[in-house]
Amino acid sequence: DTGVSQNPRHKITKRGQNVTFRCDPISEHNRLYWYRQTLGQGPEFLTYFQNEAQLEKSRLLSDRFSAERPKGSFSTLEIQRTEQGDSAMYLCASSLGGSSYNEQFFGPGTRLTVL
Amino acid sequence: AQKVTQAQTEISVVEKEDVTLDCVYETRDTTYYLFWYKQPPSGELVFLIRRNSFDEQNEISGRYSWNFQKSTSSFNFTITASQVVDSAVYFCALSGFTGGFKTIFGAGTRLFVKA
Repeated sequence: DTGVSQNPRHKITKRGQNVTFRCDPISEHNRLYWYRQTLGQGPEFLTYFQNEAQLEKSRLLSDRFSAERPKGSFSTLEIQRTEQGDSAMYLCASSLGGSSYNEQFFGPGTRLTVL
Repeated sequence: AQKVTQAQTEISVVEKEDVTLDCVYETRDTTYYLFWYKQPPSGELVFLIRRNSFDEQNEISGRYSWNFQKSTSSFNFTITASQVVDSAVYFCALSGFTGGFKTIFGAGTRLFVKA
């Protein structure tokens, strides 16, 4: 399967714990995006990378959130000191560079539940 | 500011009926792209179509068709002869120069197609 993969698919944690999610994009895609989706809503942009450079971060991304994409391949999203409000589906997507607005290919998401 | 409004939260139709999903957008950009994505019960978002702001030609792909009207800032999606497999949440999305490479999603329309 050469699509976008995300791990883990589900994560249950206690409030205050740190969690880390991983996204493996389609191999030739140099852009990688993170979104958060809550029930009944569309995905909300969190951040995006062009290769290894993090080019934009949403104001939704508090200082408890950090994302990395070392070597421009896979990416990790870490949430420190999780809160119940962080419970959501975290989606990763990737796209080709060049045109600014190429379609994005989404992974299956990581569903986070904070107890 | 950029915004996408999908006023229809849920639509229920009987198989073989035609159904139109509405999308209204706001942007100050002259160059922008509009998208439709499908999110089936499995959860993974699937790209359906991309349209740039300079191309108002309507598009048809099998049972799917899209009507882009800049005069009303709308990008509506019609499914002809709906099938049970069309049951999903459909998202309209917008990417514009002002927003950088962010994609702004609407809240989605949940479509139920009953046999």
